[in-house]
Amino acid sequence: KNEVEQSPQNLTAQEGEFITINCSYSVGISALHWLQQHPGGGIVSLFMLSSGKKKHGRLIATINIQEKHSSLHITASHPRDSAVYICAVKVDYKLSFGAGTTVTVRA
Amino acid sequence: DAGVIQSPRHEVTEMGQEVTLRCKPISGHNSLFWYRQTMMRGLELLIYFNNNVPIDDSGMPEDRFSAKMPNASFSTLKIQPSEPRDSAVYFCASSLTVNTEAFFGQGTRLTVV
Repeated sequence: KNEVEQSPQNLTAQEGEFITINCSYSVGISALHWLQQHPGGGIVSLFMLSSGKKKHGRLIATINIQEKHSSLHITASHPRDSAVYICAVKVDYKLSFGAGTTVTVRA
Repeated sequence: DAGVIQSPRHEVTEMGQEVTLRCKPISGHNSLFWYRQTMMRGLELLIYFNNNVPIDDSGMPEDRFSAKMPNASFSTLKIQPSEPRDSAVYFCASSLTVNTEAFFGQGTRLTVV
């Protein structure tokens, strides 16, 4: 069983809709990353968080350390948000990655 | 800063050939990571350097893989001889310290035919 589980695996939304991606993990961590990867593209770090909530533009990330759960929200989604979103947990120096959530936003 | 720079972006090589992937971390970052991404296994850590010293190479799949970091601004990942199953996207990432946010390069897409 993977240490990091993401849901859903795939998600399709209409432009403007609110999107939520969930990440659950089973180990004690020092931090959690949310990463974005466009098709054929590099990996962009969206957030690193160890408690509470962070916001950047239309993106919001939350984490509940006690419940070992994090969510990534995209408000007012746009076709350019179409990408794979990857949750990664940090234990010491190692990142363990979820399988990713493929998000497609239709105009 | 230009971010983490990897070269080449794409590499196609024949089985048995030597392949060298290159990475320039963000200036001032003391932690450098090499990852491999495949459809089957997702992202996996290959090796971690701290202050140019390899700390953990347990993810290096076999002796055909080697990595060096001769100075703070350059690292290489070498595969010799290459095999078709090495085809993947290889990412380099760096962070200011081991506890801070990691920044990834654009990746090198390797195809071994």
